[in-house]
Amino acid sequence: AQTVTQSQPEMSVQEAETVTLSCTYDTSESDYYLFWYKQPPSRQMILVIRQEAYKQQNATENRFSVNFQKAAKSFSLKISDSQLGDAAMYFCAYRSGVTQGGSEKLVFGKGTKLTVNP
Amino acid sequence: DAGVTQSPTHLIKTRGQQVTLRCSPKSGHDTVSWYQQALGQGPQFIFQYYEEEERQRGNFPDRFSGHQFPNYSSELNVNALLLGDSALYLCASSPWSYNSPLHFGNGTRLTVT
Repeated sequence: AQTVTQSQPEMSVQEAETVTLSCTYDTSESDYYLFWYKQPPSRQMILVIRQEAYKQQNATENRFSVNFQKAAKSFSLKISDSQLGDAAMYFCAYRSGVTQGGSEKLVFGKGTKLTVNP
Repeated sequence: DAGVTQSPTHLIKTRGQQVTLRCSPKSGHDTVSWYQQALGQGPQFIFQYYEEEERQRGNFPDRFSGHQFPNYSSELNVNALLLGDSALYLCASSPWSYNSPLHFGNGTRLTVT
């Protein structure tokens, strides 16, 4: 079974600064997807960024980028120019790429609470 | 375009009772998945429905059951509630196509006393 580990229960960053959230995962599969989700107090899970394991290039979405180290099974999220609205719980998630159809289930880590200080 | 909607937003039940949670998927989506998120934890997969059938199931007891209707909406039923069932229940929808991203609702907060 796949597992996802987030070793930082809480992180804080000053507004406009950069912060990196860590995530490691364990799998024996070669085809999979990794995600970072943001969960603000509204409780809705919002997709921040996604990485396909077969792609060597790290994904980037505006101020959000990842450092995907496949051999080390590491998938960190970097938030640049942090804004007050970035404050939330951040979850790393894994999804198998082996499927007979439909969308495979997500396996989540326990999350990291990010605080942004003005 | 309405996203995923869940009802109710909050619910308080007594141990041993039964509860039904409801989910309407995003327009154009035909697949619904349910997740349980205990306090301080990440969401855990309960099951997934497509074409009114359960397609995948996580490690949850038979007390957790579901249903999908012809309009793709879904219900999650939990029988014989335990204190440990207190959690945020998230519904997610997607099209039934390979590699489709999930869209989540705001969840139902269930408290069992």
